[in-house]
Amino acid sequence: NAGVTQTPKFRILKIGQSMTLQCTQDMNHNYMYWYRQDPGMGLKLIYYSVGAGITDKGEVPNGYNVSRSTTEDFPLRLELAAPSQTSVYFCASSPWAGEQETQYFGPGTRLLVL
Amino acid sequence: KNEVEQSPQNLTAQEGEFITINCSYSVGISALHWLQQHPGGGIVSLFMLSSGKKKHGRLIATINIQEKHSSLHITASHPRDSAVYICAVRRAAGNKLTFGGGTRVLVKP
Repeated sequence: NAGVTQTPKFRILKIGQSMTLQCTQDMNHNYMYWYRQDPGMGLKLIYYSVGAGITDKGEVPNGYNVSRSTTEDFPLRLELAAPSQTSVYFCASSPWAGEQETQYFGPGTRLLVL
Repeated sequence: KNEVEQSPQNLTAQEGEFITINCSYSVGISALHWLQQHPGGGIVSLFMLSSGKKKHGRLIATINIQEKHSSLHITASHPRDSAVYICAVRRAAGNKLTFGGGTRVLVKP
C-alpha cells in the first residue's frame, strides 16, 4: 500500500492563478481531510469528506473548493490564489471518525504564492 | 486563547536525557492524539488515548482528563527523536481534530 499520496510536492503560483492539489489514498478509507499548516501554527482543517459525494467545510474553507467523486481521491482546488494561501497542505485519511480513529497523513504539498 | 496549548514551544536536550512535552486543552474531549512530524515534513500518529497511560518503546503518553492535561515523555532521548511533536484533541461532540502548535525537539549527540 502506498498509503496517502499527494502531488505536487512543491509549487509556486502567481497571484490570481488557480491550481488543484491532488490527494489519493489506497486504504479504502471513508474519511478524508485537507489541512494547512502555517509556520509555528497548528494544523487547520480546510475541508473534509465522510465518503464519496459528501464534503463539508472545516475551520478555514474560504478560497478553496473540494470534490469527492471516488473513495480514493480528494482533490483540493485553489481559485484565484492569494499570498495568504502560502502554506504547507496536508491530506489525511481515516477509516472512521471517533474515539479510536487514527488519521494517516500524506507527505504534504508546499505552496508559495507570489 | 487556543483550545489546545503545548509547552514548551522549543526544547533542546542532550542525547540520553529524559524529555517531557506538555499539552493542555480547554474543551471536553473524547480522545487525545500525539503525532510526530519529521524534519522532512511527514506526520505520523504516535498515540491515541482517552485515559491513563500508553507506552511504545521509549515513548510514554499520559492523560489526566480531570485536569485537561496530557504529557508525552521520551526516555533515553536520541538524535533521531528530533522532530516536532503535535498534540491534537477530538472534541466530545464532533468528528474533527483540533491541533496544538507543536513542540520542536532537538536532541544533540
